[in-house]
Amino acid sequence: QSALTQPASVSGSPGQSITISCTGTSSDVGSYNLVSWYQQHPGKAPKLMIYEVNKWPSGVSNRFSGSKSGNTASLTISGLQAEDEADYFCCSYAGSYTVVFGGGTKLTVL
Amino acid sequence: QLQLQESGPGLVKPSETLSLTCTVSGGSISNTSYYWGWIRQPPGKGLEWIGSIYYSGSIYYNPSLKSRVTISVDTSKNQFSLKLNSVTAADTTVYYCARLLRLKNSGRTNWFDPWGQGTLVTVSS
Repeated sequence: QSALTQPASVSGSPGQSITISCTGTSSDVGSYNLVSWYQQHPGKAPKLMIYEVNKWPSGVSNRFSGSKSGNTASLTISGLQAEDEADYFCCSYAGSYTVVFGGGTKLTVL
Repeated sequence: QLQLQESGPGLVKPSETLSLTCTVSGGSISNTSYYWGWIRQPPGKGLEWIGSIYYSGSIYYNPSLKSRVTISVDTSKNQFSLKLNSVTAADTTVYYCARLLRLKNSGRTNWFDPWGQGTLVTVSS
């Protein structure tokens, strides 16, 4: 069970859109629409932002959106705001009731 | 509003056993819709799933940690616990507990929410 692959960092200016990729395998991301995304500010617990690839939990801005193609899931943040600066982690069901996380991506709002 | 709180020693000696408890408040740990999970995060690094437990006692572990981990549940106290034995410096991380949605028909796991605030455990002599 290997960690999902995310870029170490991405950046964008306020108002722009950015996309974070999350690459797994046919045993996890590619096989199940059970990908979730989490936002983590420094010193805080992760917060659920997207579940089941592209669904929003209550209270999460629709500026955040998710998608999947093959073994790669993506998180897009549109209309970047300063408060979006954080670490983002993807997560996928990996079969046999196991879970795998991505290594995390640091988003910098320029 | 459901809340989770980790508790346990913040310092453990190498080769000893790390023990943490997660107390669930504002809801029942016996809710059939959820698993309860442990996740850890080395300082400045990514998240690692440790394992999940269902109120009935079904347990699922990360294969890479399975030989050292024990997760248990105490429904009478609305708590679940983590034990990690033979710890080394590499086990120095922040440990989180979280609720994990269980899909009704398949039993597959979905998302983690909410999370506890996390607790830093340092392995050092």
